[in-house]
Amino acid sequence: DAGVIQSPRHEVTEMGQEVTLRCKPISGHDYLFWYRQTMMRGLELLIYFNNNVPIDDSGMPEDRFSAKMPNASFSTLKIQPSEPRDSAVYFCASSTQGSHQPQHFGDGTRLSIL
Amino acid sequence: AQSVTQLDSQVPVFEEAPVELRCNYSSSVSVYLFWYVQYPNQGLQLLLKYLSGSTLVESINGFEAEFNKSQTSFHLRKPSVHISDTAEYFCAVISRGGSQGNLIFGKGTKLSVKP
Repeated sequence: DAGVIQSPRHEVTEMGQEVTLRCKPISGHDYLFWYRQTMMRGLELLIYFNNNVPIDDSGMPEDRFSAKMPNASFSTLKIQPSEPRDSAVYFCASSTQGSHQPQHFGDGTRLSIL
Repeated sequence: AQSVTQLDSQVPVFEEAPVELRCNYSSSVSVYLFWYVQYPNQGLQLLLKYLSGSTLVESINGFEAEFNKSQTSFHLRKPSVHISDTAEYFCAVISRGGSQGNLIFGKGTKLSVKP
């Protein structure tokens, strides 16, 4: 079975540019999570969706960040305008219903803002 | 609210030596506990989990973890490590029946296995 698929795997862009990260969750999973991982802060939950509806976006650092989930098989995380401090690895994860269910992670997008 | 403390940020060991990665949690309610592993340039993968029943849980690649309610710990152990075990390991906790957005991860422990 295909796992969580993220694209692109690497993104290098100049500050001020718009960045769009994409995620395809595992089919049948009704929860989708976006995380950011940095050396300084570790793994941070940015936002999560249940049945395509955003449930908690309190982890989104600023209004420059936005996330959408137009359907059950696709989600985007957008940064506009991007800044050097946004450089990090961004992970998407999905899971089925239940707090006992593990989250399945994609391989991440390594974002570098110059 | 829950919290997780991984006491060691880095653990270097020699191949075939035993290893223990420590994890302590704090919670006022019953919890589920997880260990995830992250290999270089990959996402996190579930290694093992404690939901209920036997307090000792095992993974398919020889790791085991023991849930200790009185000490609020969930330490990860392996009696003999391989070079391929080099990775970062994350302990995570969530309240039973809680929102899935409330999975709390520790800061991670980098295990480095040397020949």
